[in-house]
Order: sequence, then C-alpha cells, then structure tokens
Amino acid sequence: IVMTQSPLSLSVIPGEPASISCRSSQSLLQNTGHTQLVWFLQRPGQSPQLLIYLGSNRASGVPDRFSGSGSGTDFTLKISRVEAEDVGIYYCMQALQTPITFGQGTRLDFK
Amino acid sequence: EAQLVESGGGLVRPGGSLRLSCGASGFSMTTYAMTWVRQAPGRGLEWVANIKQDGSEKYYVDSVEGRFTISRDNARKSVYLQMNSLRAEDTAVYYCARILGVYTIDAFDIWGQGTTVTVSS
Repeated sequence: IVMTQSPLSLSVIPGEPASISCRSSQSLLQNTGHTQLVWFLQRPGQSPQLLIYLGSNRASGVPDRFSGSGSGTDFTLKISRVEAEDVGIYYCMQALQTPITFGQGTRLDFK
Repeated sequence: EAQLVESGGGLVRPGGSLRLSCGASGFSMTTYAMTWVRQAPGRGLEWVANIKQDGSEKYYVDSVEGRFTISRDNARKSVYLQMNSLRAEDTAVYYCARILGVYTIDAFDIWGQGTTVTVSS
C-alpha cells in the first residue's frame, strides 16, 4: 500500500491552524470496522512519537489541538493552533497489512 | 513508565553481521507484539520487521527477507534483530517499538531512542 502525503513542507504562523493530507492506494478499513491509519510526529533529533491511531484516536498525552479524520483512502491531520513544540516531521502510516508503509513525511516549521 | 532501549549498533563492513537488542521496562512484554523500524540518514521511516507476542509469527519487508531475523526472549524482556549480509543501504538508525493492538496493528505507541548502524568499507 502506497502512502502519499501532501504538502511535503508546511510553513505556518504560530497560533494559526495547519492541515496535512495523507492518501492511501487502497482502503485502510479493517474488517473490524476500524481504520488502520496512524499519525506520528518526529521532532528534530528525536524518535517518532505517536499522535493519532485508528484514524482519529488521540494517543495518551497528546494535546486536543491535534485531530485526525478521514476514511477509506483519504485522511487528514489537523492542528487547530500550532505551537512551538509542534515543529518537526509528520508521518502517516498504514497498519492494515504488511509491509507496513509510511508516507514520505511532511516537514512543519514556522514562517 | 514504559521504556525501550536499543543497543548493538556500530560500524560494520559490507557483507558483515550485527545483532541489535531492544530491552523493555515498565510493561509486560508478553502482552505486546514488537517491531523494528529504520531511518536512513536524511530519509523517512521504513518498517523492517514485526514479531508476535509469543514469537510464533514474524514478518519482514522484502528488502531484508532472508538476511535479517527478528526474535524475542520474553523472560529477558528483550527483542533482537540479527542482521546478516549487510549492505550499504542498510545504513540507518534502527528503532524498536511496541505494537498497540492484540489481533491487529493499531499503532506503534512506545519507541526507543534508536541505535545507529553504519555499513561501510
């Protein structure tokens, strides 16, 4: 399954919203009814950190300014108000089948 | 607090071998499947291999199939990645991560700090 993110780079003003799109080459709907789409943030020099799983579930400790939405093959990560700690590279990942695949990454920084 | 710590990275010549280890603490390893993910310098994330909770099932990305072996020792709270016939393109930071989900893969929720593997003559 090929994962395609857009844009690949995003410059935002602190406090403004941001949105990242992720598209999969086939539906990520599991026969359980869940969508096997995950979002990660990798801050500079750090390991990836889980943000969103099953398409729209925020991981423990993730601020509510992060939200995931979408279904089938089209997904979106939204940040309602970008803060300094949100700078980094965002990856989507499909966990429906092996090989598990990631999007190319979207680099978010400040204008 | 759940933590993962990788070790075993280093410099190795093409064709050589290396064994990575990942030690778990703060949670019961027997409950979780585990995974290895790598990141080549300046590149994105690439999934490498998964192993089920009891080690009964293992899955690999095609590019490492037949060269890498994932294993685990639940008594030692450790996961391993044996890497043989290493190539320059295996150069990367290797992360181990915990898999959230019992019968499906819902997420990789806990990540280690990574260990660096460099394959060069």
